[in-house]
Amino acid sequence: DVKVTQSSRYLVKRTGEKVFLECVQDMDHENMFWYRQDPGLGLRLIYFSYDVKMKEKGDIPEGYSVSREKKERFSLILESASTNQTSMYLCASSPSGSSYNEQFFGPGTRLTVL
Amino acid sequence: AQSVTQLGSHVSVSEGALVLLRCNYSSSVPPYLFWYVQYPNQGLQLLLKYTSAATLVKGINGFEAEFKKSETSFHLTKPSAHMSDAAEYFCAVSETRGSTLGRLYFGRGTQLTVWP
Repeated sequence: DVKVTQSSRYLVKRTGEKVFLECVQDMDHENMFWYRQDPGLGLRLIYFSYDVKMKEKGDIPEGYSVSREKKERFSLILESASTNQTSMYLCASSPSGSSYNEQFFGPGTRLTVL
Repeated sequence: AQSVTQLGSHVSVSEGALVLLRCNYSSSVPPYLFWYVQYPNQGLQLLLKYTSAATLVKGINGFEAEFKKSETSFHLTKPSAHMSDAAEYFCAVSETRGSTLGRLYFGRGTQLTVWP
């Protein structure tokens, strides 16, 4: 089975802190994605990556950056956390090659910024 | 960019009743379509997907969805709801065919409540 793991299920940080969210997949997928999920807004794409060291902005990249140094790992970075970044963060991966390939999701990290 | 509309942010049904969750997409070319389910405090899990092999797609847990090009719809149904179906459901559409980036566009979700 494809497995996508995220480093923390719950995280509490203070305003202004630098926050790292880690995601690891074990199926050699080329594509990886970071979403945030808020009630009533569904999933919104923050950043995605289709190869090592490659990244593309999604719909809401402001306040975030990403890093992909290895194929299996995709990190989301909040340079200076703010309270409006309190949310559920979901990581996903998929193989490249066709747009009919589904994405596989991790369990999510619920981040609270105080 | 593609877009997806899920009609009804909340749907309530009695156990044993028909479940109907609505999804409409906007695309001039039929895309690939997906339904995901999210149980409380979990990530998303694929229920089923349409890849043009058949317009009626069967998924896990007794769910199915029918692709209707004329209506640009991909509604999710289940003949008889079970308490364990209570969850949030997301419809998603792919990039245009030919893209390899694998990006999906998600609807806002429908929370399904099942009453005993």
